[in-house]
Amino acid sequence: QITLKESGPTLVKPTQTLTLTCTFSGFSFSSSGVGVGWIRQPPGKALEWLALIYWDDDKRYSPSLKSRLTITKDTSKNQVVLRMTNMDPVDTATYYCAHRGAAPGSDWFGPWGQGTLVTVSS
Amino acid sequence: QSVLTQPPSASGTPGQRVTISCSGSSSNIGRNTAIWYQQLPGTAPKLLIYGNDQRPSGVPDRFSGSKSGTSASLAISGLQSEDEADYYCAAWDDSLNYVFGTGTKVTVL
Repeated sequence: QITLKESGPTLVKPTQTLTLTCTFSGFSFSSSGVGVGWIRQPPGKALEWLALIYWDDDKRYSPSLKSRLTITKDTSKNQVVLRMTNMDPVDTATYYCAHRGAAPGSDWFGPWGQGTLVTVSS
Repeated sequence: QSVLTQPPSASGTPGQRVTISCSGSSSNIGRNTAIWYQQLPGTAPKLLIYGNDQRPSGVPDRFSGSKSGTSASLAISGLQSEDEADYYCAAWDDSLNYVFGTGTKVTVL
């Protein structure tokens, strides 16, 4: 059974750097094809993809946020870390991490963690 | 931010069929497969459809997906009260950006 859980601060100040950790079980980065992504959702708004890291350390970032994001993995700890610099109140959202699933011709995110609400305020 | 357009809302009575559209472009849905997620109130999204029309194990067969050109659709046949949720389409874009739809809130009347 695959499970993921996000952890990190619930409140950050504007201009600070947010660091979120996704701890997972039920799969490993030692296996080919594995990936973990980050997605966020501002209150009452739509989902927005942020970043994805693959088993071979290949990384993908949202073009609109690429300059502010860094995604890394720790294979031995089954963790993925997302860093977002220069936080602003508009970055207030629930941040989710999710397992990347794949089949020939398609890939997706699922299952997802429960999410963690991050509020940006002074 | 969303480049995939969905109707804001859809509704139906129990047992009815509801269809949700997802309009994209030649750089996303037109070239890559469509994915659908269901988000029940207060919970994390859950994979509903992948590869345009494939249901993961455990997803009821009243949910079906299709794609034509640059648009995708999700149909819910035999609508049930537990289907009341937000639904999002998604796809990879040629710019290696994973894009989500604007979301559709389904209400069971």
